[in-house]
Amino acid sequence: SQKIEQNSEALNIQEGKTATLTCNYTNYSPAYLQWYRQDPGRGPVFLLLIRENEKEKRKERLKVTFDTTLKQSLFHITASQPADSATYLCGSSGTGGYQKVTFGTGTKLQVIP
Amino acid sequence: DTGVSQNPRHKITKRGQNVTFRCDPISEHNRLYWYRQTLGQGPEFLTYFQNEAQLEKSRLLSDRFSAERPKGSFSTLEIQRTEQGDSAMYLCASSRIAGNSGANVLTFGAGSRLTVL
Repeated sequence: SQKIEQNSEALNIQEGKTATLTCNYTNYSPAYLQWYRQDPGRGPVFLLLIRENEKEKRKERLKVTFDTTLKQSLFHITASQPADSATYLCGSSGTGGYQKVTFGTGTKLQVIP
Repeated sequence: DTGVSQNPRHKITKRGQNVTFRCDPISEHNRLYWYRQTLGQGPEFLTYFQNEAQLEKSRLLSDRFSAERPKGSFSTLEIQRTEQGDSAMYLCASSRIAGNSGANVLTFGAGSRLTVL
């Protein structure tokens, strides 16, 4: 069956370092991978997306990669700040139709001052 | 653009009661989704509307769940005869196609948290 997985363990990182979060998918080939941020008690907020034919996308301190060979996306936050502490969700979607987004379990990031 | 609005934000009910949640999407978005999220999990897809038509329902959506989107504007999600397992955050999202990418990007509301006692 199709699966999209994220490391469910929390990631603790020192302020100023680069945080790297991983998203793996199995048994399917999504056309897009999307990353969202979710704060406690709030809905997810869209951050960045990448298409399967793109290797890398950047937006300010954020960078996302898409490796179709490894079936993996990496999400990087450079120069991390305590305000970056949140849960980050990876979502996959296809082409055509309405493109339902299927989410992983999320990875909780804690940036320590 | 006031974003996606959900009401109520919190609902506590006794097992067996019916509850209804409302979602007001971004006005220009014709696609509307309901997701359910439990603690420590990602959002799970429940159902999707394009305008007023309900085009897909997840197997998670049992017979006790019904969703409507009259006139393609706001949507309601009703849960009948609630069970303790229904306790979760119910998220509504509306969507647009992102620029030149062609990807469907979701804008979520703040969610409606349901606690069934």
